[in-house]
Amino acid sequence: GAVVSQHPSRVICKSGTSVKIECRSLDFQATTMFWYRQFPKQSLMLMATSNEGSKATYEQGVEKDKFLINHASLTLSTLTVTSAHPEDSSFYICSAALVEPGAEAFFGQGTRLTVV
Amino acid sequence: KQEVTQIPAALSVPEGENLVLNCSFTDSAIYNLQWFRQDPGKGLTSLLLIQSSQREQTSGRLNASLDKSSGRSTLYIAASQPGDSATYLCAVRPANQAGTALIFGKGTTLSVSS
Repeated sequence: GAVVSQHPSRVICKSGTSVKIECRSLDFQATTMFWYRQFPKQSLMLMATSNEGSKATYEQGVEKDKFLINHASLTLSTLTVTSAHPEDSSFYICSAALVEPGAEAFFGQGTRLTVV
Repeated sequence: KQEVTQIPAALSVPEGENLVLNCSFTDSAIYNLQWFRQDPGKGLTSLLLIQSSQREQTSGRLNASLDKSSGRSTLYIAASQPGDSATYLCAVRPANQAGTALIFGKGTTLSVSS
């Protein structure tokens, strides 16, 4: 299957600082990337859909000014958590897929963010 | 709005048992359904992908079925092993919502004892 690489796998930051998470599709051009958030023992919740070259579409309740998404190329999307607070601590996972409706979705390894 | 439910939430079995994990979804308008495995603190590993036109998919000891009209899928694991211990997630790709993001269930956490 296709490979999606996500970095870093773990990050600890101080409250008020910003953190950038990268998501790369290594062997295919991903027209669409998705960012999910997962709380302990909970399901993955979609945060935003990122299309190359256009603004991300955010789900209801997700602050677009706090979670900045950039999808500058067909192989790279970034999520920046700005002015992070302890409540932003979570597991963030990216996914990449081709635009075809039946296409398989591939996921990164996830990033464990801890804000202290 | 599409909702995905997985039953049971947790399951403990002795090694060697065959087991079934259940997934149900409320809207049958889907493009496909995927089963994933997630180890603690890790990302997702895709196990099986079933297109809406298919009834089942098999990979090794895993077999997934799909009954789209009734909104159900099962993941059958044969001859379970301790290495199968993980959380198993079911996700559907809705066909009648904007975007192509997957909608996930909460998962079934499986523990296989030796």
